[in-house]
Amino acid sequence: GAVVSQHPSWVICKSGTSVKIECRSLDFQATTMFWYRQFPKQSLMLMATSNEGSKATYEQGVEKDKFLINHASLTLSTLTVTSAHPEDSSFYICSAHKTGTDTQYFGPGTRLTVL
Amino acid sequence: SQKIEQNSEALNIQEGKTATLTCNYTNYSPAYLQWYRQDPGRGPVFLLLIRENEKEKRKERLKVTFDTTLKQSLFHITASQPADSATYLCALRLRSNTGKLIFGQGTTLQVKP
Repeated sequence: GAVVSQHPSWVICKSGTSVKIECRSLDFQATTMFWYRQFPKQSLMLMATSNEGSKATYEQGVEKDKFLINHASLTLSTLTVTSAHPEDSSFYICSAHKTGTDTQYFGPGTRLTVL
Repeated sequence: SQKIEQNSEALNIQEGKTATLTCNYTNYSPAYLQWYRQDPGRGPVFLLLIRENEKEKRKERLKVTFDTTLKQSLFHITASQPADSATYLCALRLRSNTGKLIFGQGTTLQVKP
């Protein structure tokens, strides 16, 4: 158990367009999900904490109007990168906190390339 | 300042040997510490969790120690195999209720046959 999926696994888009990434917990409920960004050969940087039914909490330096997060159900959170630019190209990874445990389970990641 | 540090240099060992990876932290008081494995282009996979009041945890060929006085965790893989080659990340879970994890930069392990 404790499988997290992300869709799409990779996406290429033109500068100025918006991209939506989905994160789903497949076999458990997650009241809290997290969104990370990872640049090559660097560690995971937390972007925001997504809580079901409430507004996301963003880390310092992360623009909430650029990275829109919606956590509409206990199994789904979405991250929308609005007006994407080449500097937004990165590996975006979500994780889901399995309710009742201390563990976060990670999705496989989404590779975003903005041309 | 707050820091969490792992060996930035890759660790190269021979198959069958024990790999030991280090995670040191400064100015944090974690409730617990986790180790993850990450393969290239993939998300991290949870391996082990150790709490602040635990000294050691084991799971099959894996062993984790946690010394809150030294502010250090050691991660051991015994009888290493080429399939163990990956990047290993340590992460601190802070005492707050937000559930946030703070990650180290990871150490890349290469096990040679």
